Amino acid sequence: AQTVTQSQPEMSVQEAETVTLSCTYDTSESDYYLFWYKQPPSRQMILVIRQEAYKQQNATENRFSVNFQKAAKSFSLKISDSQLGDAAMYFCAYRSAPGTASKLTFGTGTRLQVTL
Amino acid sequence: GAVVSQHPSWVICKSGTSVKIECRSLDFQATTMFWYRQFPKQSLMLMATSNEGSKATYEQGVEKDKFLINHASLTLSTLTVTSAHPEDSSFYICSAKTPGQGAIFQFFGPGTRLTVL
Repeated sequence: AQTVTQSQPEMSVQEAETVTLSCTYDTSESDYYLFWYKQPPSRQMILVIRQEAYKQQNATENRFSVNFQKAAKSFSLKISDSQLGDAAMYFCAYRSAPGTASKLTFGTGTRLQVTL
Repeated sequence: GAVVSQHPSWVICKSGTSVKIECRSLDFQATTMFWYRQFPKQSLMLMATSNEGSKATYEQGVEKDKFLINHASLTLSTLTVTSAHPEDSSFYICSAKTPGQGAIFQFFGPGTRLTVL
């Protein structure tokens, strides 16, 4: 079974600064997907960014980018130019490749605070 | 597009009663829906995978007789918490996946807060 670990229960960043959230995972599969989800106080899950394991290039979505290290089974999220609206719980998630079980396995989450 | 709704958004019930939560995909057909449970300040825990027209697949440790799941149409799945007790109080979230083995995204509903008195 796959496991996802987020070792930082809480992080804090000043507005306009950069912060990196860590995520490691364990799997014996070679093809899979990794996601970062944001859960603001409304508790609506919002997809932030995704990475396909077969792609070497790190995914980027505006101010959000990942550092995907497949051999190390590491998938960190970098938030640049942090904004107050970035304050939320962030969950790292793993999904097996299409054609297999499509369920998501979530990490324990990191609560991000953004200060002025 | 890809909007998922849940109803109700919150519910309070007495211990021993049953509560039904609906999950609807509003603008797409969802052959597969997922039900999660989230306790305060914790992660999402998958309870079951619901496939349209077939029995749900429950995760280990989830009582299928207590958490009844019905996925009767391509746009609706329901979770019924039977004989609810205070320990069932939690935040329940559903998600839906578009058809096809190539579809990789799950679209999440806004969640339902259940409080059992």
